[in-house]
Amino acid sequence: QSVLTQPPSVSAAPGQKVTISCSGRSSNIGNNYVSWYQHLPGTAPQLLIYDNNKRPSGIPDRFSGSQSGTSATLGITGLQTGDEADYYCATWDNSLSAGVFGGGTRVTVL
Amino acid sequence: QVQLVESGGGVAQPGTSLRLSCAASGFTFKTYAMHWVRQAPGKGLQWVAVISYDGSKRYYEESVRGRFTVSRDNSKNTLSLQLNSLRAEDTAVYYCAKAHIVGGNSMDYWGQGLLVTVSS
Repeated sequence: QSVLTQPPSVSAAPGQKVTISCSGRSSNIGNNYVSWYQHLPGTAPQLLIYDNNKRPSGIPDRFSGSQSGTSATLGITGLQTGDEADYYCATWDNSLSAGVFGGGTRVTVL
Repeated sequence: QVQLVESGGGVAQPGTSLRLSCAASGFTFKTYAMHWVRQAPGKGLQWVAVISYDGSKRYYEESVRGRFTVSRDNSKNTLSLQLNSLRAEDTAVYYCAKAHIVGGNSMDYWGQGLLVTVSS
């Protein structure tokens, strides 16, 4: 069981919006920045969001992040078939003195 | 461009050891912390270890603490992960990853992944 809790799956039609939640506690999300990753099978994960809501260069503004209290959210607008992948939140946990990932969320474009 | 090239994976018997390496290029290696992350078959990503830019600080996921050792050679731009006392549950694809920003915990560049299989 992961320290950070994500829904196993979300889905929406092309062009629609999805949000993925990531729930933690004060020792992790409550006091550290959250990052989000897109992972396609057989490839290296890609950083989508860092420091809760910043996008690295090259990441389209269809991807957004937010954080409030002990939860974080990834939003994807204008959903495309190429967005079908697994998405993970991650942060540092002060109590564990370790990095932690969420269990991952599979995004399906209907 | 940034490149992280891993080597050293393979098949190992339970209780034995393996050493993974990650050759870095395209950035100032000695400036950034480096991570190891793994993904077991059918499972999600799991953070394994991090080493600070100068090697002075190292942190580990609980299940590998005391068995795995992360190290780096800044003169050779190389990151390593020594895996001892291997268990079946250590079977996974292992990725090395570069910290995105100095002092941050996000990871912006990843290696291609290295399969480690622990089986008798």
